[in-house]
Amino acid sequence: AQKVTQAQTEISVVEKEDVTLDCVYETRDTTYYLFWYKQPPSGELVFLIRRNSFDEQNEISGRYSWNFQKSTSSFNFTITASQVVDSAVYFCALSEAPNAGNMLTFGGGTRLMVKP
Amino acid sequence: ETGVTQSPTHLIKTRGQQVTLRCSSQSGHNTVSWYQQALGQGPQFIFQYYREEENGRGNFPPRFSGLQFPNYSSELNVNALELDDSALYLCASSLLAGANVLTFGAGSRLTVL
Repeated sequence: AQKVTQAQTEISVVEKEDVTLDCVYETRDTTYYLFWYKQPPSGELVFLIRRNSFDEQNEISGRYSWNFQKSTSSFNFTITASQVVDSAVYFCALSEAPNAGNMLTFGGGTRLMVKP
Repeated sequence: ETGVTQSPTHLIKTRGQQVTLRCSSQSGHNTVSWYQQALGQGPQFIFQYYREEENGRGNFPPRFSGLQFPNYSSELNVNALELDDSALYLCASSLLAGANVLTFGAGSRLTVL
């Protein structure tokens, strides 16, 4: 069965610091998708990135970057020069097959607090 | 383009009662899925609907049921409420084929007393 672990339950940083959120996953499938979602206080989950298991290329989008390493089953998320607006709960999630794309297994989340 | 809307936003029920939560999918999306998020935890998959049929279910008992309507809106029904059903219930819509990116609503927060 699939599993996603986010060992950091809460992280607190000061604005402009870099911060990395860790995600480790378990799956028996060779084809799977990994996601990161952001949950602000308003409650809705906001999609950040999707990565398929065959694409280990790291990705950068503005201040956000993602490091996918199959060898360690990790999909870590780094925010560079953090801002107060980055404060939220961040979830890593796994989907084991394309047609199961709506059946996401989420980690427990990491609450990020960015202080001014 | 409208997003996913859910109603009600908050509600309080007592143990043993029944509840219906509603969701309007994002325009153009034909699949809806429901998740339960207990306080301080990650969302857990309940089930998904595609073309008005249940198309996948998580580890939830039969007292959790749903419907999808021809306009792709959806309902989640929970019978015989238990205290542990207290949670944020999130609805998400997507295109089943390919995209796999879910658009979530803001959720319905259910408190069972």
